[in-house]
Parts: sequence; C-alpha cells; structure tokens
Amino acid sequence: AQRVTQPEKLLSVFKGAPVELKCNYSYSGSPELFWYVQYSRQRLQLLLRHISRESIKGFTADLNKGETSFHLKKPFAQEEDSAMYYCALMGTSGSRLTFGEGTQLTVNP
Amino acid sequence: GAVVSQHPSRVICKSGTSVKIECRSLDFQATTMFWYRQFPKQSLMLMATSNEGSKATYEQGVEKDKFLINHASLTLSTLTVTSAHPEDSSFYICSARGPGQMNTEAFFGQGTRLTVV
Repeated sequence: AQRVTQPEKLLSVFKGAPVELKCNYSYSGSPELFWYVQYSRQRLQLLLRHISRESIKGFTADLNKGETSFHLKKPFAQEEDSAMYYCALMGTSGSRLTFGEGTQLTVNP
Repeated sequence: GAVVSQHPSRVICKSGTSVKIECRSLDFQATTMFWYRQFPKQSLMLMATSNEGSKATYEQGVEKDKFLINHASLTLSTLTVTSAHPEDSSFYICSARGPGQMNTEAFFGQGTRLTVV
C-alpha cells in the first residue's frame, strides 16, 4: 500500500526565514515523489518532482530513501509562497498518485 | 503547461437528482484521467482512474453505480453523481495525463464544488 504523511497541517514563518515542509512516505518499491502547490483560488499545480532534481521558485526537495522522506525546503521564504502544499507519491505501476493531507504555509511579512 | 478544464465550477442540485461534471483536456490527448474528491481541510482522495475507451477502475469503497465515469474520447471524461444526497456534497477534482508517459506530470482541473440540498 502507498501512504504519504505530512505531519504539519499548518506552518507559519516570517518572510526571509527558512522553511521546511515535511513529507514521509510508505511504499515497498521505488516510488516517484512530487510536491504540488495550490495557491489561493487556483488549481493544483506541480511544483517539483524528485527525478528532476531541480529548484523551482527557490524550493528544493531531496528524496531520502533511508528515512523515507521527501521534505520540501526553501532557505528564504517569501510572502508569495503562502499556499497549500501537497506531497504525493506515484508507485512503480506509474498510475495513481497518492496525496498527503497537505500543509498550509503562511509567510508573514 | 497543458490545460485541463472542468465544468461546471459550482453546482447546486436537489437531493435525489443526478449531476454531471465534465473534464476536458484542452491542448493534449488525455489517455488517462483521474477523479478525486476533497473534503474541507482534507487531502485529495482518488475515486477512480479511467482510460480512454475502457471502463473506469474504482478505488475501494467508491460506489461505481453512484459515481458513473465515462471516458469516451481522448479529451473528455465525465463524472455523473446519480441520485445525489447531501453527503455527496464535496469538491470534485479531475486530472489528466497524456499517452505513453507513465511517470510524468498529471494536470489538474480547477475543481467542481457540488452542493446537494
């Protein structure tokens, strides 16, 4: 079974502070991990995926297979980063995405 | 990125009636479409996966006779909530993925807010 856990439902930081959104997963094979973001009144959109190993909007995420984690990090948060963030997992069948419960990030001025 | 459009964005219906939600891929062929349900302040729960031209695969606990999914073309999938009841009130979201791409991005619609009164 696939499972994604985001332990923090709410996270609040000040502008310019570092931010880390936690994501842990459970899967017996080699999954593909994603971070999706949903800004206020907008649709869900892909932020980044672990196989790309890229930084998007200053965010990075490293897949740690030993700790089964895929935490999302940004060294200096901006107010426009305020949004709902979802971690998601796709198994080796390459079909369904399993989402975590989401973390609402608020970046205060 | 590719665009997925859902219609309607909001719908209110009377208990006992049926309501259809459309999901269209506007600029790509969506061989696979997914339907999710999201309750307030909760995650997206996958309801079913549909491949063009074949029957949808429903997740455990989802009534296939209540949530009818049709994926008759490469650009359109529909979800019909039959004999809707107030407990069916929710936010329904579709996503779509193109052909031959097992591990690539799925694009999401803007969602449909269903309220059953």
